[in-house]
Amino acid sequence: AQSVAQPEDQVNVAEGNPLTVKCTYSVSGNPYLFWYVQYPNRGLQFLLKYITGDNLVKGSYGFEAEFNKSQTSFHLKKPSALVSDSALYFCAVRDYGNNRLAFGKGNQVVVIP
Amino acid sequence: GAVVSQHPSRVICKSGTSVKIECRSLDFQATTMFWYRQFPKKSLMLMATSNEGSKATYEQGVEKDKFLINHASLTLSTLTVTSAHPEDSSFYICSARGTSGRGTDTQYFGPGTRLTVL
Repeated sequence: AQSVAQPEDQVNVAEGNPLTVKCTYSVSGNPYLFWYVQYPNRGLQFLLKYITGDNLVKGSYGFEAEFNKSQTSFHLKKPSALVSDSALYFCAVRDYGNNRLAFGKGNQVVVIP
Repeated sequence: GAVVSQHPSRVICKSGTSVKIECRSLDFQATTMFWYRQFPKKSLMLMATSNEGSKATYEQGVEKDKFLINHASLTLSTLTVTSAHPEDSSFYICSARGTSGRGTDTQYFGPGTRLTVL
């Protein structure tokens, strides 16, 4: 079975401060890991993914995430948050050979001006 | 990234009518398409997975006769909500994953369709 945990419901951060959104996963094999962002009444936008290779992955809009196999984590980070980063963030995992993504519950990020 | 479109973006219909939602992969060929339903401030609930030219695989608890899915080509999938009722009101999102090269590992999502059944 594959699953994702996003432990926090909401993350509040002041504009200009570093932003971290936590994600841990569980799979039986090698994980494919993804982060998506959703703005109100919109679909999910792909931010970044880890498939293989360098553990630090850089994605869109200045976001990055680090794959940590020993801690089974894939936390999303941005060095300096913008008000426009306020949105719902989803972490997802797919086991190699599995057709379906398992999503976390989502984290609401609120960047305070 | 790859682009997935969905049409219509918003639809309001009367109870008992059927509604068709189209999902297209615009710049890649999608072997597999997925249909999700999302409730307010909740995560996505997978309804079904469809492979081009094959019957869709429905998740447990999703009525296949009510939510008809057709994946007739590598760029188009449709979801038809038959005899819609108010409890079918929701945000429906499609997603597509490619055949080779671009989009093979990543699922790209459409912008969603807000269905309101009166």
